[in-house]
Amino acid sequence: KNEVEQSPQNLTAQEGEFITINCSYSVGISALHWLQQHPGGGIVSLFMLSSGKKKHGRLIATINIQEKHSSLHITASHPRDSAVYICVGGTSYGKLTFGQGTILTVHP
Amino acid sequence: KAGVTQTPRYLIKTRGQQVTLSCSPISGHRSVSWYQQTPGQGLQFLFEYFSETQRNKGNFPGRFSGRQFSNSRSEMNVSTLELGDSALYLCASSDRASNTGELFFGEGSRLTVL
Repeated sequence: KNEVEQSPQNLTAQEGEFITINCSYSVGISALHWLQQHPGGGIVSLFMLSSGKKKHGRLIATINIQEKHSSLHITASHPRDSAVYICVGGTSYGKLTFGQGTILTVHP
Repeated sequence: KAGVTQTPRYLIKTRGQQVTLSCSPISGHRSVSWYQQTPGQGLQFLFEYFSETQRNKGNFPGRFSGRQFSNSRSEMNVSTLELGDSALYLCASSDRASNTGELFFGEGSRLTVL
């Protein structure tokens, strides 16, 4: 069983919708990265968080340590947000475990 | 500030050959981590180097190895290539260890093994 579980695997939205991608992780993971990968392969780090909430533009990431759960929210989604979003768990001793990724498609 | 540079971007090898990939991190970053991405397995962690020392290793056979130089540039080597090694190999640099610092990814090296 993967230590990091993402849902949903596929997500389709209309432009302007509010989007949520969820990530659950197992004991031992102390930090969460959210990555964005566009077609063609380029990966961008969106957030790295170990507690609380972070916001960057239309993107918001939250983490609940007690529930071992993190969410990535996109407000006012746009077709350029179409990408694969990947949750990555990091342990205190440095091991990284990747979620399966969520394929997001935003239609105009 | 220049980003993370990976070379070569594309390469084709045949089974049994070996390959060396290079990653130049962002200036000042001491951590370089390597990842393999395939359609079937997704992204998987290969290893991380921090200040020339391998800090962590994923679940890959010994054919996969790496090193980091004093200028933080890193190389990974795959020996005795197999068809299943065909993948996009990504590296990322960070100013701290990869589990505590923001990761900056290169564009990747796409390896095809024939």
